[in-house]
Amino acid sequence: QQQVKQSPQSLIVQKGGISIINCAYENTAFDYFPWYQQFPGKGPALLIAIRPDVSEKKEGRFTISFNKSAKQFSLHIMDSQPGDSATYFCAASMNNAGNMLTFGGGTRLMVKP
Amino acid sequence: NAGVTQTPKFQVLKTGQSMTLQCAQDMNHNSMYWYRQDPGMGLRLIYYSASEGTTDKGEVPNGYNVSRLNKREFSLRLESAAPSQTSVYFCASSRSHPETQYFGPGTRLLVL
Repeated sequence: QQQVKQSPQSLIVQKGGISIINCAYENTAFDYFPWYQQFPGKGPALLIAIRPDVSEKKEGRFTISFNKSAKQFSLHIMDSQPGDSATYFCAASMNNAGNMLTFGGGTRLMVKP
Repeated sequence: NAGVTQTPKFQVLKTGQSMTLQCAQDMNHNSMYWYRQDPGMGLRLIYYSASEGTTDKGEVPNGYNVSRLNKREFSLRLESAAPSQTSVYFCASSRSHPETQYFGPGTRLLVL
């Protein structure tokens, strides 16, 4: 049972364009929504995260939009650069003993020069 | 600080062989995790350890065992490897909720 669904699976964007990746979750107990970025051959690394008490969080060119009523959140990458080419994972967790993350299936982003 | 380290980086096993994947963190984190990553499936939690001395099953624990040796080290053991366990394995650690999870570089395992 996949509790976090991510789309699209792959995305091609021209340099300077906007990349948008969407995620939907089912469990209303989730209270922390991070996005991880993974380059080939490396482990994932935290990119940006949001709590459900805010609808948007921006860090540089990266913005998370959060819609609690729709149980959806998305990552927007403004002015996409070839160096942003990577796999992006959304995730969700709740305040339990293990701080477990439930990941989406991932989106492979390619930014063409 | 090395962060999260994993050994080996790459391993080839024959069906039925056993092996242990090692993980260590130097960030004094309480919680440690083992994930497997398969194409299109994201990362799926195998086992986790919320604190030293405790371990719990994640989403896909069958065929695996773990040991939280001390606060720094968390190992994953495959007792009898199967081709379905061919994957990339990541270890991660975190302080507490909702802190960031820090991932190691991964171990690529091929089971023939």
